[in-house]
Amino acid sequence: KAGVTQTPRYLIKTRGQQVTLSCSPISGHRSVSWYQQTPGQGLQFLFEYFSETQRNKGNFPGRFSGRQFSNSRSEMNVSTLELGDSALYLCASKSLGGTNYGYTFGSGTRLTVV
Amino acid sequence: GESVGLHLPTLSVQEGDNSIINCAYSNSASDYFIWYKQESGKGPQFIIDIRSNMDKRQGQRVTVLLNKTVKHLSLQIAATQPGDSAVYFCAWGSNFGNEKLTFGTGTRLTIIP
Repeated sequence: KAGVTQTPRYLIKTRGQQVTLSCSPISGHRSVSWYQQTPGQGLQFLFEYFSETQRNKGNFPGRFSGRQFSNSRSEMNVSTLELGDSALYLCASKSLGGTNYGYTFGSGTRLTVV
Repeated sequence: GESVGLHLPTLSVQEGDNSIINCAYSNSASDYFIWYKQESGKGPQFIIDIRSNMDKRQGQRVTVLLNKTVKHLSLQIAATQPGDSAVYFCAWGSNFGNEKLTFGTGTRLTIIP
């Protein structure tokens, strides 16, 4: 079956702009999480959605937001971009229940803010 | 390829040898632990997980050991192959609706042919 699909793959934005990243989870997966990966901070949890509801949020400013649609697809938005927002943004989906606790990650969107 | 981390601990292992990657976790209340492998330009790929009520679990060529007393996790890879070269992350999380993973800093494993 198809994996987690993230679009776009690469993005270059200017400081002050906003950006929207998209994630299509594995079919049947209703939990979608977003992570930010940088060389300095590593992998950090942004937020998690289930059934269109944000259940958990990491320690990021309000400029970072997200949403989930009824088909489980998710988007995250970053407003008023700063240079420090340059990172690899990873989306992961999971089917709740079962024996495997691991999320399946997409390949990420590489965001560069200039 | 894309750089996952510029200052990661590194481990170099001869092809065919066994490798052991270590991880210290911070949350003693974690219910499960996961090892991920991340290759350049890709997202983390699930390797193996272990629940907090276990101390060892084996998969194909991999074994995870959990020592809750010292909050330590290790991943053993047997008979390493060139394709094992990657960055390895441990992660931990809790049950009951708190679907959030906390990741360790990662270790870069390089297999020497």
